[in-house]
Amino acid sequence: QKEVEQNSGPLSVPEGAIASLNCTYSDRGSQSFFWYRQYSGKSPELIMSIYSNGDKEDGRFTAQLNKASQYVSLLIRDSQPSDSATYLCESSGDKLTFGTGTRLAVRP
Amino acid sequence: DAMVIQNPRYQVTQFGKPVTLSCSQTLNHNVMYWYQQKSSQAPKLLFHYYDKDFNNEADTPDNFQSRRPNTSFCFLDIRSPGLGDAAMYLCATSRDQGYEQYFGPGTRLTVT
Repeated sequence: QKEVEQNSGPLSVPEGAIASLNCTYSDRGSQSFFWYRQYSGKSPELIMSIYSNGDKEDGRFTAQLNKASQYVSLLIRDSQPSDSATYLCESSGDKLTFGTGTRLAVRP
Repeated sequence: DAMVIQNPRYQVTQFGKPVTLSCSQTLNHNVMYWYQQKSSQAPKLLFHYYDKDFNNEADTPDNFQSRRPNTSFCFLDIRSPGLGDAAMYLCATSRDQGYEQYFGPGTRLTVT
């Protein structure tokens, strides 16, 4: 069974620090990867998409993809308490697969 | 603003009483998805439509059905809800397969 693995956390970081969220996937055919943020009781919201190896930056967020290592990460710079949420990693190979999510807590 | 809309936001139904959840989109996306999400779990894909083509996940119970009468609307029918079907139901769209998804606000289903 094709899987996406994330550390469930919680990952606790102080305000202003860099939060690093990691994701590994088993389907070598996966071509597209997405990070979603989900606040408690709300629906997932797209943060970043990444399709090729390397880094992709958007504001305080940087997604990193390494297809050889089957590894995707999301860095959040200058973390804010409002970033506290669950972050879901998703891969798109022969099917869409979500990881179970990492809960991030940013302490003031 | 282009968006994905789900109605109702909260639905209470009785055990065994059929229920229909609706989703509409103004994004004109080809693909529409239905997910079930239970507390502290990842969204679980139930099925999706690529245009009019229906794609059922292998482990989706027969109790769950879907209709997509046109590009904008998609419905989730639960024929005989059980207590285990209580969950958040999420509708999402994407412009094509393999692209990012845009989620509606979800419908929280309670089964009494």
